[in-house]
Amino acid sequence: KQEVTQIPAALSVPEGENLVLNCSFTDSAIYNLQWFRQDPGKGLTSLLLIQSSQREQTSGRLNASLDKSSGRSTLYIAASQPGDSATYLCAVRREGSTLGRLYFGRGTQLTVWP
Amino acid sequence: DGGITQSPKYLFRKEGQNVTLSCEQNLNHDAMYWYRQDPGQGLRLIYYSQIVNDFQKGDIAEGYSVSREKKESFPLTVTSAQKNPTAFYLCASSMVIDRGSYEQYFGPGTRLTVT
Repeated sequence: KQEVTQIPAALSVPEGENLVLNCSFTDSAIYNLQWFRQDPGKGLTSLLLIQSSQREQTSGRLNASLDKSSGRSTLYIAASQPGDSATYLCAVRREGSTLGRLYFGRGTQLTVWP
Repeated sequence: DGGITQSPKYLFRKEGQNVTLSCEQNLNHDAMYWYRQDPGQGLRLIYYSQIVNDFQKGDIAEGYSVSREKKESFPLTVTSAQKNPTAFYLCASSMVIDRGSYEQYFGPGTRLTVT
């Protein structure tokens, strides 16, 4: 069974800091990994999707890397802003799993204060 | 506007009553999913569907039922058999980018409270 772990569970930083969120998964046989953002009481917004053959993806101030063999991904947020405050979740799609089902971590709750 | 809609945003029910949560998408996605989210826990998969009239149980299907009569719609019924129905329910859909590669998109969620 695929287990996804996110560290840390919560993070509080001042505005302007660069920060790294970590995601690890137990089964390295994955098709892809997806990072999401969730604001309180809201649905999930897809941030980045990395295919298993890729090493990283970038979108604006966000950069996600994937080391499939070691079962790790990191989400790097540059020059953090208060508007980045949210919960960040990672999810993987395991090889052989049907219908694109995802396995989620519990998330990292990020607070960026002015 | 393309997207996934869930209604209602908040739902209150008495214990013992069945309740149906709506999920509609106009993204022309084939696959649709229902997840449950509880405080401090990750998302757990309830049911998923690839095509009309076909769906599969996820990890926590007991006490829930679904139907997929139309590609755009995937309603979830929370039955009285569900022991702990109070939770935040999220619907998602996905498109196939290439073999094995699905990117999931989520609706805004429905918060169900059963008393």
